[in-house]
Amino acid sequence: ETGVTQSPTHLIKTRGQQVTLRCSSQSGHNTVSWYQQALGQGPQFIFQYYREEENGRGNFPPRFSGLQFPNYSSELNVNALELDDSALYLCASQPSGGDTQYFGPGTRLTVL
Amino acid sequence: AQSVTQLGSHVSVSEGALVLLRCNYSSSVPPYLFWYVQYPNQGLQLLLKYTSAATLVKGINGFEAEFKKSETSFHLTKPSAHMSDAAEYFCAVSGSGGYNKLIFGAGTRLAVHP
Repeated sequence: ETGVTQSPTHLIKTRGQQVTLRCSSQSGHNTVSWYQQALGQGPQFIFQYYREEENGRGNFPPRFSGLQFPNYSSELNVNALELDDSALYLCASQPSGGDTQYFGPGTRLTVL
Repeated sequence: AQSVTQLGSHVSVSEGALVLLRCNYSSSVPPYLFWYVQYPNQGLQLLLKYTSAATLVKGINGFEAEFKKSETSFHLTKPSAHMSDAAEYFCAVSGSGGYNKLIFGAGTRLAVHP
């Protein structure tokens, strides 16, 4: 069984640019959540998608947006990048009816 | 509202010694509680979880945790530390019933020395 995968592994952008991060959920998982982990901190919830609909959102501005596709893979888009957006972005998938989120390896975003 | 406090941002133990990582939570609903481990430059790996069944939970790699409602705690223990246990450990809480966001603590970095 394939676990959660994320791409790219690392990314460098400049302030004001836009970025798209991708996540493939584990087989059979229909819920995907995204988290931002700044250096030295715990992950912070960005939003969650269930069957292609946003199912909850954390305290992040609208320039953070997402999509979930029919195959339950997902994208995180960030517009107008700021220096503080530099972080590890983690995707987690959850099976239907399950109570556990399984995390991917993350995408390290650096904004210069 | 839910929150998690991990006491001690850094813990250092000798190889073979007891590992104790502390986690206290706050939740207005019956909580689900999780411990995740993060090795350098990697994602989070689930160690164990409490979802309202047995209060003493056993996880992978010899770790276990006990849910104590009266103390609002979910401390992580391992009887004998190995060098390979050196990593960052995160405690997290979510509401019961699935499809809920995880609220993480700030993490505890465990160092194991010979």
